[in-house]
Amino acid sequence: EDQVTQSPEALRLQEGESSSLNCSYTVSGLRGLFWYRQDPGKGPEFLFTLYSAGEEKEKERLKATLTKKESFLHITAPKPEDSATYLCAVQVITQGGSEKLVFGKGTKLTVNP
Amino acid sequence: NAGVTQTPKFQVLKTGQSMTLQCAQDMNHEYMSWYRQDPGMGLRLIHYSVGAGITDQGEVPNGYNVSRSTTEDFPLRLLSAAPSQTSVYFCASTRTGTGYNSPLHFGNGTRLTVT
Repeated sequence: EDQVTQSPEALRLQEGESSSLNCSYTVSGLRGLFWYRQDPGKGPEFLFTLYSAGEEKEKERLKATLTKKESFLHITAPKPEDSATYLCAVQVITQGGSEKLVFGKGTKLTVNP
Repeated sequence: NAGVTQTPKFQVLKTGQSMTLQCAQDMNHEYMSWYRQDPGMGLRLIHYSVGAGITDQGEVPNGYNVSRSTTEDFPLRLLSAAPSQTSVYFCASTRTGTGYNSPLHFGNGTRLTVT
């Protein structure tokens, strides 16, 4: 069964304190991995897509990396406005040949000033 | 450019009532989908559509119906609401008609409570 596990479930940081969020997956037929940010009362907002091991993407204070079994979302010198829930989703090919997204449960990040 | 618009934002139903959650997108996306988000669980796919006139079931389709008569609209119908359908519902769309080669664009959700 395709599974996506995010850790930690919740993370509290002080402003400027860098850290990483983890997304590990056990899937067959990986096509891509997506990171989304979700603010309270809002829908998820796309951040990054990673397709192959070794790939990295950056956006402001965020950097996403991908290995064969997991992805990391590194947050450098975070600010309070980075507080949100970060979702990881893996795009896989089903046995029937169609594609589907499997979402993790998310990591709730709180950055204190 | 509004993106993906969902209405209503909040809804309270009694068990057994029916209702339709509306979703519209103005990006000319072929692919549209409905997810539900429950505490402690990842987003789960209810139904999806790869183009007008084509719909298919996702992971948790029971109790829900969909139709896709236009590219822009993808309503989700609850046939007979049950407390287990209390959730936040998200509509999402993407450009391609055959998969997830472009990222999903989400609406801001409908928070549904069934009493």
